[in-house]
Amino acid sequence: NAGVTQTPKFRVLKTGQSMTLLCAQDMNHEYMYWYRQDPGMGLRLIHYSVGEGTTAKGEVPDGYNVSRLKKQNFLLGLESAAPSQTSVYFCASSRGQGRVYNEQFFGPGTRLTVL
Amino acid sequence: SQQGEEDPQALSIQEGENATMNCSYKTSINNLQWYRQNSGRGLVHLILIRSNEREKHSGRLRVTLDTSKKSSSLLITASRAADTASYFCATNNNDMRFGAGTRLTVKP
Repeated sequence: NAGVTQTPKFRVLKTGQSMTLLCAQDMNHEYMYWYRQDPGMGLRLIHYSVGEGTTAKGEVPDGYNVSRLKKQNFLLGLESAAPSQTSVYFCASSRGQGRVYNEQFFGPGTRLTVL
Repeated sequence: SQQGEEDPQALSIQEGENATMNCSYKTSINNLQWYRQNSGRGLVHLILIRSNEREKHSGRLRVTLDTSKKSSSLLITASRAADTASYFCATNNNDMRFGAGTRLTVKP
């Protein structure tokens, strides 16, 4: 099993450009998440999904959109990139949510620079 | 805002010593988890402790949870150079909130 994979690994954008980050998991997990990690800030949740066809906002959703058309894929879109979106983006998935089944499995990350 | 806050921000020890990291949080939780992140990599789950548990062990890891003080600690015994990484606590109360992490350096 590949676990959680992310593409691309690195990307440089100019301000105003758009892009989509792809996350795929092969563990049949219901829950998927997008985080951003900035120096000294830990991980902050952008959006998440509790199942195919559903999405919800996290802690820092502004400037991002997501889609979960297939259970195994979770896409993160930046419609008009800004320098403040320079960060490392991590996708994660989990079997469930709650007291027991919510160990999260992380992808390797995408390093995005917006000039 | 972050839920868990780790302390210290950075810790440097010699191989063979024990490393203790602490996590404090503000609201009630379902469980608390500890993750490890090697430089340039994604996070890896280490251990989960439920709100009704007080202590849990996994190999050289020992986690305690004190819900009355809203705090948790991670102890790594007999540390190795390979333990060098950042360690994050994450609190779960219907959503996961990560702290800023403790950067652990184990010198050979």
